[in-house]
Amino acid sequence: DAMVIQNPRYQVTQFGKPVTLSCSQTLNHNVMYWYQQKSSQAPKLLFHYYDKDFNNEADTPDNFQSRRPNTSFCFLDIRSPGLGDAAMYLCATSTRTGESFFGQGTRLTVV
Amino acid sequence: GQNIDQPTEMTATEGAIVQINCTYQTSGFNGLFWYQQHAGEAPTFLSYNVLDGLEEKGRFSSFLSRSKGYSYLLLKELQMKDSASYLCAGMNSGGYQKVTFGTGTKLQVIP
Repeated sequence: DAMVIQNPRYQVTQFGKPVTLSCSQTLNHNVMYWYQQKSSQAPKLLFHYYDKDFNNEADTPDNFQSRRPNTSFCFLDIRSPGLGDAAMYLCATSTRTGESFFGQGTRLTVV
Repeated sequence: GQNIDQPTEMTATEGAIVQINCTYQTSGFNGLFWYQQHAGEAPTFLSYNVLDGLEEKGRFSSFLSRSKGYSYLLLKELQMKDSASYLCAGMNSGGYQKVTFGTGTKLQVIP
């Protein structure tokens, strides 16, 4: 059974049109992450939460925001997607030791 | 911060053994992970090392030397399905777990 679920798997959005990606987990982990991964590159950390404590990376564009209304759910909002934002977006949770469990990812296409 | 280096690509023969190296530099260290990522899919956890030495899990083993800032992933009895990217990731020390990924090593297994 899937433990970290991302919806949708594929998302097409228009240039400049706000889009929200969602992630849910059944593992009850305190830590949740959003990564952006472009082709042949490493996952790049955008945000992470420790419970409700929110941390964004210094180089995460202002165009990206995140919400975590409760332990189970986390959202990634892209306010005005540009062509350069086309990527795979990965949500992950982790245990106290840091072992991460990834969702299947959402592949975002910007047209 | 963390800096993680690993080779970009490797090729190995089915049935053989391959060693993928990773070096890291970090201001604080709290463990090193290896993940496998097939094309278009999310990373999956392979191993976690926080103490020096070799951890063996079936065909896969991972080694860590903290004094040298060095790890390797050893894959034995290679199978065609082992063709994937292998991501080395370091976790920093501190109040919450922040995991930084290397760029990954793309392994091609050939007959």
